[in-house]
Amino acid sequence: QVQLVQSGPEVKEPGASVKVSCKASGYTFTNYGITWVRQAPGQGLEWMGWISVYNGNTKYAQKVQGRLTMTTDTSTSTAYMELRSLRSDDTAVYYCAKDWVATPGSADYWGQGTLVAVSS
Amino acid sequence: DVVLTQSPLSLPVTLGQPASFSCRSSQSLVYSDGNTYFNWFQQRPGQSPRRLIYKVSNRDSGVPDRFSGSGSGTDFTLKISRVEAEDVAVYYCMQGTHWPPRFGQGTKLEIK
Repeated sequence: QVQLVQSGPEVKEPGASVKVSCKASGYTFTNYGITWVRQAPGQGLEWMGWISVYNGNTKYAQKVQGRLTMTTDTSTSTAYMELRSLRSDDTAVYYCAKDWVATPGSADYWGQGTLVAVSS
Repeated sequence: DVVLTQSPLSLPVTLGQPASFSCRSSQSLVYSDGNTYFNWFQQRPGQSPRRLIYKVSNRDSGVPDRFSGSGSGTDFTLKISRVEAEDVAVYYCMQGTHWPPRFGQGTKLEIK
């Protein structure tokens, strides 16, 4: 069965960076993409970006463009999301989701979420 | 950017009664290939989102048949034929037709 298992919670100071991992299993990792979505406390879902595992193409939301980098390691079927220059409004649960290989828009399976808290 | 507007924001329903969720898009969600890339997600309290419906009306594996999706162009609806206690959740619509993908603000289903 498809599973996405994310890394544990993080507490960071403003200005720091965070890197969240998402380990996939149960499907052919390189045939799909990974989308990242975040959810601030008590708020809705915000789409952040997508990476094609097949060719490494990425698409980022304008709001985080320049601070966000998505990568994958096909040898371990793991996707990574790195967010830099953290601010307090980056405090959220970050989710990875399996997506299409050519473009985002499917998000059929989701990880359990990773809480990133930004606080001084 | 496409804006998805969900209504109502809160939906109190009696157990066993139907529920209907609306999502309206600021632009047509029909893609150039003829498909409409529109999904519905369920997020139960404390859980990750779960996709229920893809491409407007296709139920995902394991989703009870009391859930159904319909609509076209800019207007879409998710219906639950008979609400059960386990359906308490926030329901989000999402479009993947236009860049960037966007979610609606969510509708919270509560038991009356």
